[in-house]
Amino acid sequence: DTEVTQTPKHLVMGMTNKKSLKCEQHMGHRAMYWYKQKAKKPPELMFVYSYEKLSINESVPSRFSPECPNSSLLNLHLHALQPEDSALYLCASSRAGLAGSYNEQFFGPGTRLTVL
Amino acid sequence: QQPVQSPQAVILREGEDAVINCSSSKALYSVHWYRQKHGEAPVFLMILLKGGEQKGHEKISASFNEKKQQSSLYLTASQLSYSGTYFCGTAAGSARQLTFGSGTQLTVLP
Repeated sequence: DTEVTQTPKHLVMGMTNKKSLKCEQHMGHRAMYWYKQKAKKPPELMFVYSYEKLSINESVPSRFSPECPNSSLLNLHLHALQPEDSALYLCASSRAGLAGSYNEQFFGPGTRLTVL
Repeated sequence: QQPVQSPQAVILREGEDAVINCSSSKALYSVHWYRQKHGEAPVFLMILLKGGEQKGHEKISASFNEKKQQSSLYLTASQLSYSGTYFCGTAAGSARQLTFGSGTQLTVLP
């Protein structure tokens, strides 16, 4: 199984809502990532988890809260988002190592988020 | 710092070749190449590592000039399925995360 799954595929939320994005992989990967991608732009790294511990936070606002309950699951909790947070949110995983950049990343299909 | 990709867009006919370039001002540890079709996830194509090691799909060819911090992706005998946006991602120094370039939109016409 070389698939990363993400749910939901689409999400519309108001600025006062609380919602969560979910990502799952069963490839035994120990590094998992959240990216944000705006239309016609490259993916921008938000968070990296390595062995279930947060290892990189790219100065993401606290209204985004990541969680890694186990080695297969990655969540992104959303609260009090702004309209400019509307984007495609991609999850990825890779084999972890001394340098995660040695290993290819497998991306999920993404959650398209719209904040009203 | 974001790597610079060129060209921004290219249109080909089936069977033609294309080269996509990626350059960085930093000393690179690795260069990754991904292709993303509209509405889909990025798909891994190739990794090129400092020291010469490469891994990726057999039909994909790429180079990494460590002295110039440049990488090129070679698409030969292009097929309709090659259409999409190609991103290079670079890892510099001890950074473990990738920074992606702005992308090259490739369109292959019949």
